[in-house]
Amino acid sequence: NAGVTQTPKFQVLKTGQSMTLQCAQDMNHNSMYWYRQDPGMGLRLIYYSASEGTTDKGEVPNGYNVSRLNKREFSLRLESAAPSQTSVYFCASHRDRGADGYTFGSGTRLTVV
Amino acid sequence: SQQGEEDPQALSIQEGENATMNCSYKTSINNLQWYRQNSGRGLVHLILIRSNEREKHSGRLRVTLDTSKKSSSLLITASRAADTASYFCATGNNDMRFGAGTRLTVKP
Repeated sequence: NAGVTQTPKFQVLKTGQSMTLQCAQDMNHNSMYWYRQDPGMGLRLIYYSASEGTTDKGEVPNGYNVSRLNKREFSLRLESAAPSQTSVYFCASHRDRGADGYTFGSGTRLTVV
Repeated sequence: SQQGEEDPQALSIQEGENATMNCSYKTSINNLQWYRQNSGRGLVHLILIRSNEREKHSGRLRVTLDTSKKSSSLLITASRAADTASYFCATGNNDMRFGAGTRLTVKP
């Protein structure tokens, strides 16, 4: 029962570099999400995918792109990293029915220097 | 935005005491959820309360919802040191929005 798996767990980038954060869930959930969390703050929604093949912008989409590769996988890409994107990134998934909440991954700690 | 706002920002209590955290939100909701985050970890879902419910219990957790005041509260009874964490409320449909959280410290 892996739940939501994020890779990598840690990453250091130089300004201007690109990278893709990977997320996969094995619970057959329909919806998937990417959040960022800055020190002492709550989570801010970057992008989400309500179903396979669809993606929508959240609160802070600028500087990011996403791909819902299939039902299991939802990746987040930084095309040209900036120091302001230093943060902890969390992926989450949701079944969309019942009283379940979101299931979160353990996060990717990204530092842009 | 349907983002919740928690109050207080930080709370420090002794083991065995009760802890109460509050959440206010701006727009109408279908449900409100509470999550816990231990330091350096992902969020864990605690409880969901629907808009037509006024109170819900889960173990030592009690959640209330007042839609007329657009507010919710989370009560943790008989707190333990292991309850030390940040607690977040969240609202939304397909795009859940979180508040900044309440940092709870339970001293042994």
